[in-house]
Amino acid sequence: DTGVSQNPRHKITKRGQNVTFRCDPISEHNRLYWYRQTLGQGPEFLTYFQNEAQLEKSRLLSDRFSAERPKGSFSTLEIQRTEQGDSAMYLCASSMTPRGYGYTFGSGTRLTVV
Amino acid sequence: KNEVEQSPQNLTAQEGEFITINCSYSVGISALHWLQQHPGGGIVSLFMLSSGKKKHGRLIATINIQEKHSSLHITASHPRDSAVYICAVRSSPGGGADGLTFGKGTHLIIQP
Repeated sequence: DTGVSQNPRHKITKRGQNVTFRCDPISEHNRLYWYRQTLGQGPEFLTYFQNEAQLEKSRLLSDRFSAERPKGSFSTLEIQRTEQGDSAMYLCASSMTPRGYGYTFGSGTRLTVV
Repeated sequence: KNEVEQSPQNLTAQEGEFITINCSYSVGISALHWLQQHPGGGIVSLFMLSSGKKKHGRLIATINIQEKHSSLHITASHPRDSAVYICAVRSSPGGGADGLTFGKGTHLIIQP
C-alpha cells in the first residue's frame, strides 16, 4: 500500500465546466476526508465518510459540490459549473476510527479555473 | 478569530538552531496533529497528540491540555526541515465536525 493516492495531480479547467477528482485511501482505513486549501491558508474541512456513509458536510460545500464513496473504498469529489473561486488545492485524507489513528494525507489535486 | 492560532507565521533560522513553533486553540479537543507540508502540496503527519510529549528523531511535540497549547520543537535544524508546519485539532466527540480544524501554518526556512 503506497498511502493515499489522488488523481489527477493538476487540473486546469474553464469556468463553467464540471470536474471530478478521485481519492484512493489506505485500504484498511474506514474514514475518508476531503479538504480544500487556498494559497497561504491552512486546509479547510469539506466533508468526510465513514465507509460509504457521508457523515458530515461543511457549509463550504455548496450545492455545486458533491462527494461519493460508493463502495466504501475510493471517493470522488465533483464540482459542477466551476467558478474561479474554486481554484484551490483539494486534499484527501484517510484514517482508522475510532480515534483517527494513522491520519494520512494524499498529495492533493491542484485545480485552476480559468 | 481562528480556532487554531499558530506562531510565528514565518521563521527563518540558521542551520543547527533549536526551533520552536507554537499552537494555541480555543475549543475542546480529542487530539492535536502536527503536519508538515512541502512546496507542491504534499502533507505528512508528524505527530498526533492527546496528552504529554512525543519524540521522533529530531522532532519533539508537547501538549498542555489545560492551557490549550502545543509546541513543536526541532533540534539541530537542517535546511531539509524547511517547510510549512501546520497544527490541526480534532474536536472532542460531539463537539462538532469530525474533520480537523487547521491553523494557517508556520513557514520555516533553515539557511545553511
